[in-house]
Amino acid sequence: GENVEQHPSTLSVQEGDSAVIKCTYSDSASNYFPWYKQELGKRPQLIIDIRSNVGEKKDQRIAVTLNKTAKHFSLHITETQPEDSAVYFCAASIRYSSASKIIFGSGTRLSIRP
Amino acid sequence: EAQVTQNPRYLITVTGKKLTVTCSQNMNHEYMSWYRQDPGLGLRQIYYSMNVEVTDKGDVPEGYKVSRKEKRNFPLILESPSPNQTSLYFCAARGGNEQYFGPGTRLTVT
Repeated sequence: GENVEQHPSTLSVQEGDSAVIKCTYSDSASNYFPWYKQELGKRPQLIIDIRSNVGEKKDQRIAVTLNKTAKHFSLHITETQPEDSAVYFCAASIRYSSASKIIFGSGTRLSIRP
Repeated sequence: EAQVTQNPRYLITVTGKKLTVTCSQNMNHEYMSWYRQDPGLGLRQIYYSMNVEVTDKGDVPEGYKVSRKEKRNFPLILESPSPNQTSLYFCAARGGNEQYFGPGTRLTVT
């Protein structure tokens, strides 16, 4: 069935360094890939997303890349800051289809070391 | 302001005692879901609903029921809770591609 794999499960980086989280998906019909950030004790919130007709999207220190052929997509955070510490979830879905499920990865716990 | 609310936020109960977690949204979205979050397993979908009176099983539906009598409400029902249902539960409402999560309900079943 549909599956999204996410790696690593935990990641610790020095403040100011970059962090990269990688995901792969199985359903070739997926064309929408959101990323959610969940701070401790809070709900997941959408931070950035990318559609399959785009290879890269950037929003300030956050960027997502998509390799549709390989079914890989990644989240890149540059110049990390303490407030970036959180659990990050990738997901895959079919855009413009309210009938499609959003399949989530298992999450990456990112810790920023001062 | 777009909102998804859940109640209660915290609940400790005993095995076998029926409970309901309510979920309500103010965005008029058709698609609503329930997820459970467990360490190392991410967010797993329990049930979803594409519209009023239309519900379907997600990935982990065993032990749960839902209903969708009105567009705004999507309660999660545990008829006979068991300790393996101890988890953090999130309701979500989806419009287009944006999915809004509720604040979560932490359930402990002893």
